[in-house]
Amino acid sequence: GAGVSQSPSNKVTEKGKDVELRCDPISGHTALYWYRQSLGQGLEFLIYFQGNSAPDKSGLPSDRFSAERTGGSVSTLTIQRTQQEDSAVYLCASSLLGPGANVLTFGAGSRLTVL
Amino acid sequence: QKEVEQNSGPLSVPEGAIASLNCTYSDRVSQSFFWYRQYSGKSPELIMSIYSNGDKEDGRFTAQLNKASQYVSLLIRDSQPSDSATYLCAASMDSSYKLIFGSGTRLLVRP
Repeated sequence: GAGVSQSPSNKVTEKGKDVELRCDPISGHTALYWYRQSLGQGLEFLIYFQGNSAPDKSGLPSDRFSAERTGGSVSTLTIQRTQQEDSAVYLCASSLLGPGANVLTFGAGSRLTVL
Repeated sequence: QKEVEQNSGPLSVPEGAIASLNCTYSDRVSQSFFWYRQYSGKSPELIMSIYSNGDKEDGRFTAQLNKASQYVSLLIRDSQPSDSATYLCAASMDSSYKLIFGSGTRLLVRP
């Protein structure tokens, strides 16, 4: 696609429920990133993918968080048993590898509210 | 020490002035640095990248990298109210593609 697409744009859930957030990167972008941004805060690194593999999962806050990427394209971030502190905007970004690496294009984000 | 550190601000400058935004980094980051701009309620967008020691200019923006002192800065000349936003400094980690962001500096340009 022309840009990075994320869904849902807004999700309100009850504490303890599971949620899935989806990211569709720019076609041809091998690298895909997930960040979390709480209100008024900076971007907190969660995980990134090179192709379908995740060389660095160190940013995932707990074992309730997991992410996968299939076919070198779409990625899903899953949060199990959501807690109120999980409320944030979850941003996905993609980029090329090699030349052009780290030039991230961000999606519009998925705003998660846990009641 | 955090990998990338910024003063949260706000930095307030009058219209037409030079805005100077600074960022320091730790030994754990590599030599690729980026400035992203984020308007309120929007996603970050890249405005500058710098890889070599020295200055890099693009229009009203100049990025400066000083490896010896481990800081990178962004100068905005002739600041406009439309420049009011949060500016995020980012650096790649070691030899990987992991990109770490600072907490951002909020810039307010007063008309």
